[in-house]
Amino acid sequence: GQQVMQIPQYQHVQEGEDFTTYCNSSTTLSNIQWYKQRPGGHPVFLIQLVKSGEVKKQKRLTFQFGEAKKNSSLHITATQTTDVGTYFCAGYAGGTSYGKLTFGQGTILTVHP
Amino acid sequence: GAVVSQHPSWVICKSGTSVKIECRSLDFQATTMFWYRQFPKQSLMLMATSNEGSKATYEQGVEKDKFLINHASLTLSTLTVTSAHPEDSSFYICSARDRASGRAVFADTQYFGPGTRLTVL
Repeated sequence: GQQVMQIPQYQHVQEGEDFTTYCNSSTTLSNIQWYKQRPGGHPVFLIQLVKSGEVKKQKRLTFQFGEAKKNSSLHITATQTTDVGTYFCAGYAGGTSYGKLTFGQGTILTVHP
Repeated sequence: GAVVSQHPSWVICKSGTSVKIECRSLDFQATTMFWYRQFPKQSLMLMATSNEGSKATYEQGVEKDKFLINHASLTLSTLTVTSAHPEDSSFYICSARDRASGRAVFADTQYFGPGTRLTVL
């Protein structure tokens, strides 16, 4: 079945440093979504990428979707303590899967002040 | 924006009892809802897909007789953990797909409920 791998599993940074998490799918995706989960909370939708090579920005966050639609990345510039949490990518393979998402393992981000 | 609620937010029960968790889409219709389970510091594992008016589709390895899912209306799905055991203790999260009319399925966004933390003693 479809697998979505995400690295790194953990990332510790000093406030102000940049952070990147990478996502790779075993199959071509129709779209990829990114979520953030704060400690003790539930996943919150950040963004969805659909087009090959797509790049989207949300303030300090930059999201990319690979040309082959099998990989993606999330880059945070100048991290802040409010960025702490787990970042998940989730891929949608399309077809008749009723919108079923396959989640990556997540990257736990810790930001030291 | 679209809001999904879950009830209860946490529950503690004795081994052998059954627990029902409700998932509601508050301001949109959700023909499809998804149930996930998340263990500490792990990812979300899809348990089943719940479709309004039909039987749920369970993922491989998930016991359908143990995790009963009912999607009785366009805004409510329930998950019942029957004869719960300590190994069922986990964070259960539902999500609902906002199927905006006229848009392709892949453009749908899933909205997650706040989760239910189940502890079985």
